[in-house]
Amino acid sequence: GAVVSQHPSRVICKSGTSVKIECRSLDFQATTMFWYRQFPKQSLMLMATSNEGSKATYEQGVEKDKFLINHASLTLSTLTVTSAHPEDSSFYICSASVRGNQPQHFGDGTRLSIL
Amino acid sequence: AQSVTQLGSHVSVSEGALVLLRCNYSSSVPPYLFWYVQYPNQGLQLLLKYTSAATLVKGINGFEAEFKKSETSFHLTKPSAHMSDAAEYFCAVSVSSGNTPLVFGKGTRLSVIA
Repeated sequence: GAVVSQHPSRVICKSGTSVKIECRSLDFQATTMFWYRQFPKQSLMLMATSNEGSKATYEQGVEKDKFLINHASLTLSTLTVTSAHPEDSSFYICSASVRGNQPQHFGDGTRLSIL
Repeated sequence: AQSVTQLGSHVSVSEGALVLLRCNYSSSVPPYLFWYVQYPNQGLQLLLKYTSAATLVKGINGFEAEFKKSETSFHLTKPSAHMSDAAEYFCAVSVSSGNTPLVFGKGTRLSVIA
């Protein structure tokens, strides 16, 4: 079945570092991918919609200069957390749909810890 | 606008007992509804989906859910809980079955007692 791969699964880094998270659709092409953020013991909140070949659409309150999204190919979207600070520590999850009428498949998430 | 309310942040059942996780939704358009399960430090796995076909939806691992428009509910059930069912469960709503964002409820943590 359709698989979404997310890498890395865990990152621990110092404050001020920029971190890149990759989301790949392994056996299908995804024109649209979604990035969610999950705080401990809370729900997932949509951060942005990543569109292949165009700019991402960010949700209200999400800093687009802080969270850079690039969707350069039909199988890869990247989320870069620039100049990360401790408050950026969270669980980031991406998802993609095989086709427009198919449910989204989720990556295994990236646990980001900023010291 | 769409929203989801999951009643009960934590549900505890005995092994072999009925599992009932509650979900109510709000949507200005006909909703597409989903239940996902999340194990610790992992992504989400789709359990089942409602996409305007049959109101009783059967999913994986013995779970099912019934769409009740009059009650704006989509509760998740399983006749007999297994220890392996212990996880976080999320109900979600969307305006389509695919390439549109999901709006999630706050989640319900299911504990299964031996």
